[in-house]
Amino acid sequence: DIQMTQSPSAMSASVGDRVTITCRASQGISNYLAWFQQKPGKVPKRLIYASSSLQSGVPSRFSGSGSGTEFTLTISSLQPEDFATYYCLQHNSYPLTFGGGTKVEIK
Amino acid sequence: EVQLVESGGGLVQPGGSLRLSCAASGFTFSSYAMSWVRQAPGKGLEWVSAISGSGGSTYYADSVKGRFTISRDNSKNTLYLQMNSLRAEDTAVYYCAKGGLGIDAFDIWGQGTMVTVSS
Repeated sequence: DIQMTQSPSAMSASVGDRVTITCRASQGISNYLAWFQQKPGKVPKRLIYASSSLQSGVPSRFSGSGSGTEFTLTISSLQPEDFATYYCLQHNSYPLTFGGGTKVEIK
Repeated sequence: EVQLVESGGGLVQPGGSLRLSCAASGFTFSSYAMSWVRQAPGKGLEWVSAISGSGGSTYYADSVKGRFTISRDNSKNTLYLQMNSLRAEDTAVYYCAKGGLGIDAFDIWGQGTMVTVSS
């Protein structure tokens, strides 16, 4: 099974900060990596698919990069509505696996 | 509008059974794999199971293998999850999501249904 190691598990940041979250796969997954945002009590929302493709309707301050085993989600300028928990997902092979999540909190 | 609507959650005793349903609309249901994902209270997301568009292939997480069965009725645009031998650790919000492998993975989610396993 492919393990997804996400870091950091939590972080504090200010509005306007550049934020970077990383996911590392235990083996190569090509670009089959998606990123999700989840706010408390809400359904997860896909932000990025195929490692770097922006989901329709998602602000351009979100971007993704990487291939193989190392992936990054970047928020170029953190906005108040971006405080949430973020998850990566590998969908290269079954069983699908999520990263442990990164909670982005207000500093 | 593309939509997934889950139902069937509730309170069940340990060792009991429950069947979840997910009604799909707004897309060609039979063309897509479908998945179940769960989230225990205060915890992260966990993929549970997936099924191919035809229903001919099914996949499970080790934590539910042998106890849960995923199925679909393409004539009714509905996905199911039969959960048997339920344990306290199965307590979670269960989401259905469109896709599995491939580029459309989890682009659409249902609102979730809560399953509580407790005596």
